[in-house]
Amino acid sequence: ETGVTQTPRHLVMGMTNKKSLKCEQHLGHNAMYWYKQSAKKPLELMFVYNFKEQTENNSVPSRFSPECPNSSHLFLHLHTLQPEDSALYLCASSQEGSVNEQFFGPGTRLTVL
Amino acid sequence: EDKVVQSPLSLVVHEGDTVTLNCSYEVTNFRSLLWYKQEKKAPTFLFMLTSSGIEKKSGRLSSILDKKELFSILNITATQTGDSAIYLCAVEGGDYKLSFGAGTTVTVRA
Repeated sequence: ETGVTQTPRHLVMGMTNKKSLKCEQHLGHNAMYWYKQSAKKPLELMFVYNFKEQTENNSVPSRFSPECPNSSHLFLHLHTLQPEDSALYLCASSQEGSVNEQFFGPGTRLTVL
Repeated sequence: EDKVVQSPLSLVVHEGDTVTLNCSYEVTNFRSLLWYKQEKKAPTFLFMLTSSGIEKKSGRLSSILDKKELFSILNITATQTGDSAIYLCAVEGGDYKLSFGAGTTVTVRA
């Protein structure tokens, strides 16, 4: 148990679907992150939330929409995705807004048909 | 733009061998360098390095940072099949963001 959970673990969706990825951390952290890991590419930071406020948006297309209702939960809303968006989406959390010692969730394997 | 380069991209060794993984970086306002082990899905934290020349050890794993030459190495001694994984290097810059390298895939054969 990593202390960071993600659901679903696997998701297959069509380009016209709307779905959401959920992340929950049980570590008392106050910063949460979304990363994208594509095949043979480095982990890419997508969004950062510190104390529920979005502090980073790394030029992510608007078809990805994050939501952080509280410091323990983070969502990634997906709509009209493209096949190239198929990847592993990892959530992470850390203490005090620092990236040091981020704890990662197990990830959601997303396939866009 | 921050840059993290890991080498080699992959390697295959036999149990008992020692492996050395390299990570070089270019980053604005360096704050720390981190090593992660990724098996199957979630990366797990191994080390955080902030000072040059101070070795961090955890069992058979050790790591050291050279801030002058802008690189770090991760050593694994007496490798076991359970060490097979992708090892990720990440650097934290002045903007508090992590930049990851592409990773080194280590395969340990029995």
